[in-house]
Amino acid sequence: GENVEQHPSTLSVQEGDSAVIKCTYSDSASNYFPWYKQELGKRPQLIIDIRSNVGEKKDQRIAVTLNKTAKHFSLHITETQPEDSAVYFCAASTVSTGRRALTFGSGTRLQVQP
Amino acid sequence: DAGITQSPRHKVTETGTPVTLRCHQTENHRYMYWYRQDPGHGLRLIHYSYGVKDTDKGEVSDGYSVSRSKTEDFLLTLESATSSQTSVYFCAISDGGAGAEKLFFGSGTQLSVL
Repeated sequence: GENVEQHPSTLSVQEGDSAVIKCTYSDSASNYFPWYKQELGKRPQLIIDIRSNVGEKKDQRIAVTLNKTAKHFSLHITETQPEDSAVYFCAASTVSTGRRALTFGSGTRLQVQP
Repeated sequence: DAGITQSPRHKVTETGTPVTLRCHQTENHRYMYWYRQDPGHGLRLIHYSYGVKDTDKGEVSDGYSVSRSKTEDFLLTLESATSSQTSVYFCAISDGGAGAEKLFFGSGTQLSVL
């Protein structure tokens, strides 16, 4: 099955700096790569996603890049703000005989220092 | 937010007792999932359903069973709870598509097995 590795496990940046979180996946058949943000005590929420036919996608201060050849994708947050502090999860879709499920990375705790 | 509720929100039980967690949705989505969240492990898939009475195992299904007798409800049962099943359990729903796509999570159930 799919295996998703995520690094780093913790990341501390100064407000205004950029943050980058990286993930690798194992299944070359995966074609959908979302990122979820989970604030303390809350549910995970989708913040951005990318499909395998796209190399990069941006939404205001966040962007995701995908390298299919290397099987890795990254989340980029620019001009970080204290409210960006949360745990971020990458994920990859596993497609098998019409059934679908997401495999998640282990998460990155981002702390933005004011 | 998608209409998805989990019950109970918190539960404390003893080792060896059966436990059932309920996930209820009002979105008429086809896919429903149960994940558990543990520090250092991210979100791990327990079981999922791709239709009424159609379920499949995830990566950590041992000790868990599920049932989906109608579209809106997905039940997770711990047949005989163990301390290793102490965790936060999240239900999620998706309307499907090319991948699992755009999961909407419930608020979670904190389960403690003593």
